[in-house]
Amino acid sequence: QSVLPQPPSVSGAPGQRVTISCTGSRSNIGADYGVHWYQQFPGTSPKLLIYGNTNRPAGVPDRFSGSKSGTSASLAITGLQVEDEADYYCQSYDSSLRSYVFGTGTKVTVL
Amino acid sequence: QVQLQQWGAGVLKPSETLSLTCAVSGGSFSGYYWNWIRQSPEKGLEWIGQINHSGSTNYNPSLKSRVTMSVDTSKNQFSLRLTSVTAADTAVYFCVLRNPSSGSFDFWGQGTLVTVSS
Repeated sequence: QSVLPQPPSVSGAPGQRVTISCTGSRSNIGADYGVHWYQQFPGTSPKLLIYGNTNRPAGVPDRFSGSKSGTSASLAITGLQVEDEADYYCQSYDSSLRSYVFGTGTKVTVL
Repeated sequence: QVQLQQWGAGVLKPSETLSLTCAVSGGSFSGYYWNWIRQSPEKGLEWIGQINHSGSTNYNPSLKSRVTMSVDTSKNQFSLRLTSVTAADTAVYFCVLRNPSSGSFDFWGQGTLVTVSS
């Protein structure tokens, strides 16, 4: 289920910095479960972008960064590029639902 | 590099059983949990469940009564069965490997669109 609200869309000009918020609760992000972020282009599978709140898998550009504070997390894209135009999802685990949960998704548009 | 290739019926009628299989190859995936996740415009990304190499399962409580997962370690394959499907089960279904250390979904199959329609 998509139980982690995210803004439906964010936009920015090339080179700008954009951030995407992921709002959780005490049963998921606030319970110290790791937050992970995925990037998805239309018609393709999601791809892991950030794991364990702040870590980048090999090959992910360092313009992508993650952070977590309390019951929320954020993804920042610094130096926005045209190829970053995609959908982005956060993900964690929810102890009340006993399920892995995803964010509602945010579409990033490069102006 | 780890690759997941999935297959199964793409069109079902209400009350039928959805059946998908996923084959894992390449790289190192020892210890990973084998998952199914679906995506629809209505519900977004939804975790269905997971199975490990020994066959131990965890299912999403909202789907548990209709879900069965199995694994064939000799073929590096795992499968999903979802019974009594309705239009609400129409979605793209992904097989996914979850990293036991980080908890993240590291490797994804290409996805299978399953449409339930009378």
